[in-house]
Amino acid sequence: RKEVEQDPGPFNVPEGATVAFNCTYSNSASQSFFWYRQDCRKEPKLLMSVYSSGNEDGRFTAQLNRASQYISLLIRDSKLSDSATYLCVVSPNNAGNMLTFGGGTRLMVKP
Amino acid sequence: ETGVTQSPTHLIKTRGQQVTLRCSSQSGHNTVSWYQQALGQGPQFIFQYYREEENGRGNFPPRFSGLQFPNYSSELNVNALELDDSALYLCASRDSLIGTGELFFGEGSRLTVL
Repeated sequence: RKEVEQDPGPFNVPEGATVAFNCTYSNSASQSFFWYRQDCRKEPKLLMSVYSSGNEDGRFTAQLNRASQYISLLIRDSKLSDSATYLCVVSPNNAGNMLTFGGGTRLMVKP
Repeated sequence: ETGVTQSPTHLIKTRGQQVTLRCSSQSGHNTVSWYQQALGQGPQFIFQYYREEENGRGNFPPRFSGLQFPNYSSELNVNALELDDSALYLCASRDSLIGTGELFFGEGSRLTVL
């Protein structure tokens, strides 16, 4: 079983749609949580950190459920530029390094 | 641009050969880590260096080794290359003095083993 599991997709959605991604992680000792975005043949880039209380950054909302070991990302009003692979990421420490990545969920936003 | 630069960007090797990949971390970042990303998968943590010492390692065999230099740049060495070593190798740096400092990735070195 992978340490971080995600639905690989692809999720094909029209512009303006709301889309949600989920992931589960197996290591209950994980301390910090993130969503990264990776464009085709590019490096991963931090999209947002995920906090237990839930957090929002513009059109993006992330939530963490430590009891269920479940992380989510909600994207509202999807844009064409949101098309990318979204990587769910956990770290065993509060420093947020030595990251464990999920396999990624591919999102394609269509006109 | 993240300021993390890697070289070479692409290279082709044959089974059994050895390869050295290089990374120049972002200015002021004293911690560097390496990840392997196979096609269609998420990156996998190889190891991390801080102050020239390895201080964390993922599930990779000893033929994967590294170095960090006093200027915080780093090398990843892979000996006895296998076909499954074909992947994008990503270097990432961060400033360990910032508690939850963001990890910045380079664009990677794409290795093909034939």
